[in-house]
Amino acid sequence: SAVISQKPSRDICQRGTSLTIQCQVDSQVTMMFWYRQQPGQSLTLIATANQGSEATYESGFVIDKFPISRPNLTFSTLTVSNMSPEDSSIYLCSATGTSSYNEQFFGPGTRLTVL
Amino acid sequence: GESVGLHLPTLSVQEGDNSIINCAYSNSASDYFIWYKQESGKGPQFIIDIRSNMDKRQGQRVTVLLNKTVKHLSLQIAATQPGDSAVYFCAENRGGGADGLTFGKGTHLIIQP
Repeated sequence: SAVISQKPSRDICQRGTSLTIQCQVDSQVTMMFWYRQQPGQSLTLIATANQGSEATYESGFVIDKFPISRPNLTFSTLTVSNMSPEDSSIYLCSATGTSSYNEQFFGPGTRLTVL
Repeated sequence: GESVGLHLPTLSVQEGDNSIINCAYSNSASDYFIWYKQESGKGPQFIIDIRSNMDKRQGQRVTVLLNKTVKHLSLQIAATQPGDSAVYFCAENRGGGADGLTFGKGTHLIIQP
């Protein structure tokens, strides 16, 4: 199974600033995804991080607010831009292999608090 | 750490008993389902998966049942242990391809000593 690490593990940020979260996988994977988990709730898919091209965003999420990069097969970043307190959440990176039935492995998450 | 189960349904079970966690899904086109376990302060951990061409799959102490007719998924945990205390989520792949997952609401399982 792939091991996924995220940086930072947590941060407290001021309203109006931006934070970039890094996700690193220890082996080559095909698909990488970003999810948000608001306090006490389930996970919601933000976008699919595509290598070398623009990310594919889910309904309700836009590139200007959540720009995503994936320069290679094992690394991706998610930026939370112009933050407000409503952006306080856990942000999770996941990765899967080439088959549609490969399990998705998750990183430990980045706990973001916006003041 | 902060609990992720504050607003979730809670199931309390005596240690050693069996537990059943239920999940309803909405997309008839979903063809792959996964159960995850999430402990406080950690990311979701894969437990067991099942494809839509099966109705039952067993792992170590866990069994997943799939009823496509009523779009229902369940996770059975046998002989529960204190370490089973966590939030459990079902997730569905939305229909073919390596796709992002849609997660259910989650259930907070508490194992009573």
